[in-house]
Amino acid sequence: EAAVTQSPRSKVAVTGGKVTLSCHQTNNHDYMYWYRQDTGHGLRLIHYSYVADSTEKGDIPDGYKASRPSQENFSLILELASLSQTAVYFCASSVTGITEVFFGKGTRLTVV
Amino acid sequence: GDSVTQTEGLVTLTEGLPVMLNCTYQTIYSNPFLFWYVQHLNESPRLLLKSFTDNKRTEHQGFHATLHKSSSSFHLQKSSAQLSDSALYYCALSTSSGQKLVFGQGTILKVYL
Repeated sequence: EAAVTQSPRSKVAVTGGKVTLSCHQTNNHDYMYWYRQDTGHGLRLIHYSYVADSTEKGDIPDGYKASRPSQENFSLILELASLSQTAVYFCASSVTGITEVFFGKGTRLTVV
Repeated sequence: GDSVTQTEGLVTLTEGLPVMLNCTYQTIYSNPFLFWYVQHLNESPRLLLKSFTDNKRTEHQGFHATLHKSSSSFHLQKSSAQLSDSALYYCALSTSSGQKLVFGQGTILKVYL
């Protein structure tokens, strides 16, 4: 079965610190995404990638970087974590940009 | 850019009543792909149904929706709500020229006895 695995599942970070969220997929999908979920805002796209070694900005990229070193792995980096980045982050993958998206279980990030 | 609007943040229903969750979208492209995703408590979103054919009803797990390009709508319906339908529902849009899925704000559906 298709699988998207996120780590860590939960993290508490200090304001101003660096945070890296990791995602690994075994779907053999070309497309990978990082979404942020907040109450009242739904799922918002931060960064995405459709090929290794290349990333694209989504709708809310400010304060975030992404890295896609291989087809299977996609990381989200917060260089200077801020309180406003407290949220649940979902990684996802799909075959193309118009096919079903498969989500990981999410990472709950709390910045204090 | 592309956008999706779900006008209801919360819908509460008594079990057995019909469900209708609204979804409208905006895109400059003529061939949109519309999706409904459902997220139960403490779970990840998963696909409920999808469509890219104008005026064709698509159904899955008792839910149905019809893409109407003339009104840019893709409302989700079910004839009779069940307690297990309580969840967060997202409408989402993609286009053949876009390479990403854009979600609406989501609608929480709560079904009571």
